Amino acid sequence: DAEITQSPRHKITETGRQVTLACHQTWNHNNMFWYRQDLGHGLRLIHYSYGVQDTNKGEVSDGYSVSRSNTEDLPLTLESAASSQTSVYFCASSGAAREKVADTQYFGPGTRLTVL
Amino acid sequence: LAKTTQPISMDSYEGQEVNITCSHNNIATNDYITWYQQFPSQGPRFIIQGYKTKVTNEVASLFIPADRKSSTLSLPRVSLSDTAVYYCLVGSYNQGGKLIFGQGTELSVKP
Repeated sequence: DAEITQSPRHKITETGRQVTLACHQTWNHNNMFWYRQDLGHGLRLIHYSYGVQDTNKGEVSDGYSVSRSNTEDLPLTLESAASSQTSVYFCASSGAAREKVADTQYFGPGTRLTVL
Repeated sequence: LAKTTQPISMDSYEGQEVNITCSHNNIATNDYITWYQQFPSQGPRFIIQGYKTKVTNEVASLFIPADRKSSTLSLPRVSLSDTAVYYCLVGSYNQGGKLIFGQGTELSVKP
């Protein structure tokens, strides 16, 4: 069955280190999204991509970057981790055409990141 | 993008029908209304989507009045496993598939 996976599921790192969170989907979806979830804020969009070589900034993109070299993967990189980036990170994908509202976004299980 | 307002929390008992209302006064003509469910330690999951009147699927019903300024998610005969956070989202075909999540409604179902 098609799925979307994230790794690692838990990560502890130190301030200033570079961290990369992996997201892999087998739906063959064009659209992929990264969100962070914090208490009191719901989910906030970090970056998104409509296809290979396409990336766009979301609501809270500062300090994060993404690259899309193939359809299946959208890794999220924290260039220099900060304590404010301690959060739960969710990756999602959808197959909707670029100009369409998301039919359904399929979310991964999340990565809990702690920055000390 | 239209802002949504929904109750922060609700309590219910097993077997009851639960109605969660979402207010979206600034909804645009092209906007659809979508509900997601999120269990602890999991990503959100799509429940239902509608534009106007009523939509029903195997999980829930969505009621949208004629002015579309609010919507109500109805969960029939809830069980303990329906304890989750429910998000109401409003978005259009013009926003490129992006979802804007509010704080959601935390539903607690008790035995």
